[in-house]
Amino acid sequence: LAKTTQPISMDSYEGQEVNITCSHNNIATNDYITWYQQFPSQGPRFIIQGYKTKVTNEVASLFIPADRKSSTLSLPRVSLSDTAVYYCLVNPLSGSARQLTFGSGTQLTVLP
Amino acid sequence: NAGVTQTPKFQVLKTGQSMTLQCAQDMNHEYMSWYRQDPGMGLRLIHYSVGAGITDQGEVPNGYNVSRSTTEDFPLRLLSAAPSQTSVYFCASSSSDRQETQYFGPGTRLLVL
Repeated sequence: LAKTTQPISMDSYEGQEVNITCSHNNIATNDYITWYQQFPSQGPRFIIQGYKTKVTNEVASLFIPADRKSSTLSLPRVSLSDTAVYYCLVNPLSGSARQLTFGSGTQLTVLP
Repeated sequence: NAGVTQTPKFQVLKTGQSMTLQCAQDMNHEYMSWYRQDPGMGLRLIHYSVGAGITDQGEVPNGYNVSRSTTEDFPLRLLSAAPSQTSVYFCASSSSDRQETQYFGPGTRLLVL
């Protein structure tokens, strides 16, 4: 199973762009990269998922270099409500739920 | 469309008591999972199911039982609660072809004294 490494915490100010990088050196050919967001006292919420290059949706962008050994979640112009824990997951497109592993995540704190 | 619902929201048990945490989803998802989350840590998979009648163990299955008699429901049973099972429990579901995109319930906070 590919293991992920993320910073434990990050601080940012409102209106700034935030980039959270995740390392996954042992990612397999069939693995996708998925990011979740978790607010206090809530379950995680899917943000974005990608395989290579760049993926963008209404919430975030995901940048994946050619070697796919890392990925960067980019949150444009964060607000106080973006304060949450962000999890990077690496999992195969097909397979059992056993292979979904949540690490400790990155606590993002957005300051006014 | 309620998504994934969990009951109760909060429960206090004494050591040795049993209880069932309920989870239901109305999205006709085949995959359902139970996770526990301890303070300051990520989620750890307890048990999961790939469809009605099929369950399997995750990373931390000891002390927990599950069953999946219908597509909608996936209860988690604690047969004899222990203080080490004090945690927040999350149920999740996903469709068979998008299992990497899981929908989580609001969680059940369990305190075992």
